[in-house]
Amino acid sequence: TQLLEQSPQFLSIQEGENLTVYCNSSSVFSSLQWYRQEPGEGPVLLVTVVTGGEVKKLKRLTFQFGDARKDSSLHITAAQPGDTGLYLCAGSGPGAGSYQLTFGKGTKLSVIP
Amino acid sequence: EAGVAQSPRYKIIEKRQSVAFWCNPISGHATLYWYQQILGQGPKLLIQFQNNGVVDDSQLPKDRFSAERLKGVDSTLKIQPAKLEDSAVYLCASSFRVLNTEAFFGQGTRLTVV
Repeated sequence: TQLLEQSPQFLSIQEGENLTVYCNSSSVFSSLQWYRQEPGEGPVLLVTVVTGGEVKKLKRLTFQFGDARKDSSLHITAAQPGDTGLYLCAGSGPGAGSYQLTFGKGTKLSVIP
Repeated sequence: EAGVAQSPRYKIIEKRQSVAFWCNPISGHATLYWYQQILGQGPKLLIQFQNNGVVDDSQLPKDRFSAERLKGVDSTLKIQPAKLEDSAVYLCASSFRVLNTEAFFGQGTRLTVV
């Protein structure tokens, strides 16, 4: 059973559009992380959120951790072709089972020039 | 600093054969993870080490998979015998500590079982 549900599974948009992807769980996590993975490579960390309600910005990317620390969202403003990739959320802490780092299935994003 | 090193990058074997993957984590990282990533899915944790001890191996198919981390540094993951459904990318990752910390991933080993 997947503890982290990501949506949408696939997303194809035009360059310049905005988008939001979601990561939801019925469990509470100590922290949530967002990774981006490109073909043939391992995932690379984008951000870690640890406090309920926390918002972090990384250039055109905005990450939010839900107040109850059960869900998170990633918003991309004015998407670029370089944003194309698989976006993965990962949780650690009580919801994952103490020390596990558990991943969702990911959102595959394609940004068309 | 050097990243997580994995070898080989690619491996093709026949079903029922054996295969081993090697991982050298970032120096000083106490936590080491092995993940299995099937095409189109997120990584699934197989086993997690803290130094040379196993923290979690609840999703490791122990009838065919084994892993060790001797001396708390590099690690080996073995599959014996392999099945067709073991075709996947096997990712190794390491982190400085167990919780709330960045996991650094290697490039993975793509295994094809025919």
